[in-house]
Formats: sequence, structure tokens, C-alpha cells
Amino acid sequence: DGGITQSPKYLFRKEGQNVTLSCEQNLNHDAMYWYRQDPGQGLRLIYYSQIVNDFQKGDIAEGYSVSREKKESFPLTVTSAQKNPTAFYLCASTPLTAPGDYGYTFGSGTRLTVV
Amino acid sequence: AQSVAQPEDQVNVAEGNPLTVKCTYSVSGNPYLFWYVQYPNRGLQFLLKYITGDNLVKGSYGFEAEFNKSQTSFHLKKPSALVSDSALYFCAVRALNSGNTPLVFGKGTRLSVIA
Repeated sequence: DGGITQSPKYLFRKEGQNVTLSCEQNLNHDAMYWYRQDPGQGLRLIYYSQIVNDFQKGDIAEGYSVSREKKESFPLTVTSAQKNPTAFYLCASTPLTAPGDYGYTFGSGTRLTVV
Repeated sequence: AQSVAQPEDQVNVAEGNPLTVKCTYSVSGNPYLFWYVQYPNRGLQFLLKYITGDNLVKGSYGFEAEFNKSQTSFHLKKPSALVSDSALYFCAVRALNSGNTPLVFGKGTRLSVIA
């Protein structure tokens, strides 16, 4: 079955560490997105990419980095510069052809905790 | 700029009663509108969408939503609530002619259906 796979489901980070969250899709979708979810704040856009080797900053990109070397993959690195990384991270994708018709397909999320 | 407001953080309803989860939006021009549902520690699942056509949109699990252009609203409704409907609900919007700009999500409304 087609879908989006996020891994790991739970991740623990020590202070000063960089960690990378994986997002892979086999839907042949063009665009991929990373959102951060905090209680009471909804979903906030971190980065998005519409084609390979290109990506744009979202509303809260500071302290994060991404790459898009393959259409299927859009990993997110949470760097040590992100001062409050504890959150639930969601990856999503959509085809660019008539994007409004499809909305987004979401992965099941990664919960990151600083220890 | 695009924005979405979900004025209620929490909605409580008795099982079997009708439910409404409110959403208002702001976009330049005509909107694409979506409702998603999220169960604990899961990604978002698509419920329904409005693009053009009938103002009353029917979606998954017996949910429907009414698009009201004059009030810029897209309230989610269900005639008879189930305990299993208890979850977090998100409204999202993007402008019809905004190219491929990302969806903007509301902060979410937690629905609690009481047996």
C-alpha cells in the first residue's frame, strides 16, 4: 500500500545533539512538508519542498535543516540551535497537479523529547 | 496572507446529539478548505474538502461541512455524535489561485463525546 513512513516513532535527544527524522513516501508525490505540533498551537510549518534539490523555509525554520536528494525522501535534522525541540513532528506530501483537490497525506509522526 | 481560526479549543457533546466544530478563514480570492482528524499519537487523516460546487460537502464517517462565503466559515457537522468521534479536529485553507503555497492549519479543536 502507498503511504508515508516516518521513523523513528519516538526519539530522545541530549542537549547539544543533532538528530535526524526520516520521512519516506511511495506515493510519487511531488511536494513534501514538515510540520511541528505543540499542544494548543496547532501545526506550524518548518520546511517544504516541491521538487528535488529545492526547498523553502516555513514559519519556524530556525534551528532546523532539510534535504531533498530523492523525490521519495525528505529528512529533517533538528540541530543544537533549536532551543526547544521537544514536540511532535509530522511529515506530509501531496501531488502538485491540482494540489487543492488532494490535500495532504500525513505520516504517523515522530515524537521528539529532549533528555 | 491566509489564516484559519478555530474559536473553540474544546467541544463537549453527548453521544447521539448533533455536533458542530467551528472554522472561519481568511484568504485572498476563493478558498480550498479541508477538515482533518487526529487520534492520539497519530498523523492527520483527511475527512472532507471544499473546492467548488455545492456548499454542503459530505465526507468520511458521516461528517459534513457547510461552506458559507459571506461569513467566511466552514463549520464541521455531524447529525449524531459517537464516542469514537472523540479526537482533535483541524481546519485548513489555501487560496485557489495561490500557486502551490502550503496549507495553513488552525490550532485544532478537541472534541469529546460523552456516553
